[in-house]
Amino acid sequence: GQSLEQPSEVTAVEGAIVQINCTYQTSGFYGLSWYQQHDGGAPTFLSYNALDGLEETGRFSSFLSRSDSYGYLLLQELQMKDSASYFCAVRDPTGANNLFFGTGTRLTVIP
Amino acid sequence: DGGITQSPKYLFRKEGQNVTLSCEQNLNHDAMYWYRQDPGQGLRLIYYSQIVNDFQKGDIAEGYSVSREKKESFPLTVTSAQKNPTAFYLCASSIGRGLGYTFGSGTRLTVV
Repeated sequence: GQSLEQPSEVTAVEGAIVQINCTYQTSGFYGLSWYQQHDGGAPTFLSYNALDGLEETGRFSSFLSRSDSYGYLLLQELQMKDSASYFCAVRDPTGANNLFFGTGTRLTVIP
Repeated sequence: DGGITQSPKYLFRKEGQNVTLSCEQNLNHDAMYWYRQDPGQGLRLIYYSQIVNDFQKGDIAEGYSVSREKKESFPLTVTSAQKNPTAFYLCASSIGRGLGYTFGSGTRLTVV
């Protein structure tokens, strides 16, 4: 099976930088994805890492270390609208297309 | 614009009733999925379909049923056998390989 661990809550100040960590256990690894979900809304895809290193997309970056079974999402220049839940996810190792999601990190951005 | 449409947005069900949640996509994606989300929780997979006329059980399929008669449509029926159906239901699709899911806006089901 798979398991993903994320902190349940993170609070950060507007304009600051915040890092949301994710450690995973899976019998076969096919990459780590990140999704953002605002309250009552649909999750939206943020990033995907298949190889070690940092992927940057605007204010958001995602990092992966396969040897440590660890990744993180980095949000820079935080804005109030970044307050949301963030989920990491790994692909089913059986080869199916479905994703297994972590329980999510609720980010609160304060003024 | 392409996307996924879920309907209804809110649904109330009496105990003992079956209800069907609609999910339609015009993205030409082969794979479709149903997830359940409980308050403060992650997403748990109910059923998925990688191709028309084929679907597989996810982690929490008991009390649910699906069909995939058309590529665009993947309806979910919550049966009376589902003991705790009150939840937020999310439908998603992908071009394949679990990358870049596109989610619908969800259906919030409440049993009254």
